[in-house]
Amino acid sequence: AQSVTQPDIHITVSEGASLELRCNYSYGATPYLFWYVQSPGQGLQLLLKYFSGDTLVQGIKGFEAEFKRSQSSFNLRKPSVHWSDAAEYFCAVGLGGSYIPTFGRGTSLIVHP
Amino acid sequence: NAGVMQNPRHLVRRRGQEARLRCSPMKGHSHVYWYRQLPEEGLKFMVYLQKENIIDESGMPKERFSAEFPKEGPSILRIQQVVRGDSAAYFCASSRPGLAVNTGELFFGEGSRLTVL
Repeated sequence: AQSVTQPDIHITVSEGASLELRCNYSYGATPYLFWYVQSPGQGLQLLLKYFSGDTLVQGIKGFEAEFKRSQSSFNLRKPSVHWSDAAEYFCAVGLGGSYIPTFGRGTSLIVHP
Repeated sequence: NAGVMQNPRHLVRRRGQEARLRCSPMKGHSHVYWYRQLPEEGLKFMVYLQKENIIDESGMPKERFSAEFPKEGPSILRIQQVVRGDSAAYFCASSRPGLAVNTGELFFGEGSRLTVL
């Protein structure tokens, strides 16, 4: 079955530390890949996306993600986390056409001062 | 450009009442998706609509829930005879025809938070 997995429900890091949030997918073809961020009480904002080409994509707020076909992964990274990065992060995949974009269950990022 | 507009942002209903949630997509967008976010859970797809058509409602509960996206006006998600389990955040997202077909990239509203007493 097709699926998107974010194995970490909660991640806690200290401000200034590096961050990696994991995302794995299970699809027959290479999907379009997205990371969204949701601040408390807000909607989802697109951080970055991968369609094709360079497997390392840069996003807003200093985030980047790397697509690894061999591992079916699209992990999100940031070299130095800020307190304002505390939020819920969702990985999502799309296949285009009438395919409905599917979201992982989300990873809650907690940032300690 | 205004983003995806959802209203009301917060809605309180008693059990048995009806809830109506509205979504105006971004200008130029004719594809609307509704997702539900329950506490401690991710986003669950409910329904995908284009103007005057329901394209996919595979995520909608079979009873009490309905959605429409008329030729004029916003998309509406309607929940009849609400129960406590309907308490959740309901998010609307929109996309352009070309973008939706090619990639599935979505633009989200800020959500409507329904509380059922």
